[in-house]
Amino acid sequence: QKEVEQNSGPLSVPEGAIASLNCTYSDRGSQSFFWYRQYSGKSPELIMFIYSNGDKEDGRFTAQLNKASQYVSLLIRDSQPSDSATYLCAVRSGSARQLTFGSGTQLTVLP
Amino acid sequence: GAVVSQHPSWVICKSGTSVKIECRSLDFQATTMFWYRQFPKQSLMLMATSNEGSKATYEQGVEKDKFLINHASLTLSTLTVTSAHPEDSSFYICSARVGGGTGNTIYFGEGSWLTVV
Repeated sequence: QKEVEQNSGPLSVPEGAIASLNCTYSDRGSQSFFWYRQYSGKSPELIMFIYSNGDKEDGRFTAQLNKASQYVSLLIRDSQPSDSATYLCAVRSGSARQLTFGSGTQLTVLP
Repeated sequence: GAVVSQHPSWVICKSGTSVKIECRSLDFQATTMFWYRQFPKQSLMLMATSNEGSKATYEQGVEKDKFLINHASLTLSTLTVTSAHPEDSSFYICSARVGGGTGNTIYFGEGSWLTVV
């Protein structure tokens, strides 16, 4: 079982819809959770991080964390074609310095 | 967010030569930097953790004699691909950790495309 799992997609949503991206992790000791966006041929850029159970909102993005169920999700409201990218979920466990990345979910927002 | 700069953005080299990629933290000091490799349509693969003033920690399967990492200052880490071969062609990305404890965040450089011909 992979440590961080994401559906590879592709996930397609129409413009203006809500895109929902999910991620599960295996280490219950994980404490920090990150979402990165990676456009084709570019390096990842940080969208959001979340540490506590519940929701965290930043503009059109909402991260949701449920440590009991070991999942973290990213909602993108009012999706735009420019949101089309691969979204990487990353998790840090305990005192680890590095992040463990999921394989990413490819999102396509259709105009 | 914090700025991590990588250079060069892309490089083409001949098989058997060595290539150096630089990773700089521009507005903060980074005691720890990370080097990743990403092949097309695949996820990030952590190659090594670069520690300022000490030896890098390599992930299993990564040849430390082939991928030389030097972290001589708090703002610069370098990755040298020695005796490069076409199979080393990939997207190499560095990242740096900002902050301490559980509150720290990792930011990525722009990445470097390496093509070995």
